[in-house]
Amino acid sequence: DADVTQTPRNRITKTGKRIMLECSQTKGHDRMYWYRQDPGLGLRLIYYSFDVKDINKGEISDGYSVSRQAQAKFSLSLESAIPNQTALYFCATSDSPSYNEQFFGPGTRLTVL
Amino acid sequence: LAKTTQPISMDSYEGQEVNITCSHNNIATNDYITWYQQFPSQGPRFIIQGYKTKVTNEVASLFIPADRKSSTLSLPRVSLSDTAVYYCLVVRWEGSQGNLIFGKGTKLSVKP
Repeated sequence: DADVTQTPRNRITKTGKRIMLECSQTKGHDRMYWYRQDPGLGLRLIYYSFDVKDINKGEISDGYSVSRQAQAKFSLSLESAIPNQTALYFCATSDSPSYNEQFFGPGTRLTVL
Repeated sequence: LAKTTQPISMDSYEGQEVNITCSHNNIATNDYITWYQQFPSQGPRFIIQGYKTKVTNEVASLFIPADRKSSTLSLPRVSLSDTAVYYCLVVRWEGSQGNLIFGKGTKLSVKP
């Protein structure tokens, strides 16, 4: 089984709908991250969490919210989806902060019509 | 914040050594240099990290000069399966504030 899983893998929705993307990990890591990737661009950090009580905004947090339900689960929500949120979303985890090695999930492809 | 600059694309042939250079002129004392590899429709995968001089692991080497304003990822004897996008990151953690910025990366194409 994969260490970092994301559900759903693909989602098509309409403008204005609320969407939740879920991430689960079995690596036992404290740190979790959400990124988005647009075609031809690198990844941009949306939110990150160092533990269940710690949530931090990343580079592009506007229009998104997150919930850290447990050490192993980190969810990303789009309260009212808009077309420019169409992208590939990745969840990642890491352990030691000084080593900076992050382990990524397989991604969720989200299309907002 | 230390932004990075890399070539947009590179071509190589199987069996050759590939060197990808990244510029990070504003790197700070506490920053580390990290490289990731990404295949289409997959999440990035960590390759190597360094602070200064040279770091080597089973897949790559990372060369960092004394001024740390640039770094070079070296892939020995590439194969077709090394075709991917390679990202250079300068990572800084200050307390609970983190800065991880993936640039556009370098698209490496390995030809037979």
